[in-house]
Amino acid sequence: EDQVTQSPEALRLQEGESSSLNCSYTVSGLRGLFWYRQDPGKGPEFLFTLYSAGEEKEKERLKATLTKKESFLHITAPKPEDSATYLCAPSGGTSYGKLTFGQGTILTVHP
Amino acid sequence: EAGVAQSPRYKIIEKRQSVAFWCNPISGHATLYWYQQILGQGPKLLIQFQNNGVVDDSQLPKDRFSAERLKGVDSTLKIQPAKLEDSAVYLCASSLEVATNTQYFGPGTRLTVL
Repeated sequence: EDQVTQSPEALRLQEGESSSLNCSYTVSGLRGLFWYRQDPGKGPEFLFTLYSAGEEKEKERLKATLTKKESFLHITAPKPEDSATYLCAPSGGTSYGKLTFGQGTILTVHP
Repeated sequence: EAGVAQSPRYKIIEKRQSVAFWCNPISGHATLYWYQQILGQGPKLLIQFQNNGVVDDSQLPKDRFSAERLKGVDSTLKIQPAKLEDSAVYLCASSLEVATNTQYFGPGTRLTVL
């Protein structure tokens, strides 16, 4: 069975204080690793897809990286508007197209 | 481009009542998904449609949940009868095709069962 664990569960940062979120996964036949951002009361918003170990993608202050067992979301010099829940979801296994979501990391950035 | 539309946004019902949620995916998206997100957890897939056929409903509690996607466009998810543990946000997502797999989510329907 596919398993996804995100850590930490919650992270509080000061504005400008860089950090990383972790996503550990066990999925057979990984087809892609997705990162989403979710604001309170809204649906998840797509950020990145990573397809192979060693791949990196960047968007503004966010950079996502992928290894064979983990993905990291690095946040450089965060701002209060980066506060949200960040969800990772690998896709693979026998059910094509299915995403298995982690429980998310709640990020709070204080000014 | 319009996003995924869902209605209603909020619903409060008594246990044992029935409820239905509606979803209209992004135009041209062949694949439609329904997820359940319990507070503090990530979304969990309930059912996946490819056009109007079911691809995966292995995690759908079929004794009380049903879903349909007539004509391969919009979809309805129904719960009958509802239980307290069904309180959650129900999210609809769509993707252009399964191969590209980037899923775009609607705002969700927050269901409270009293």
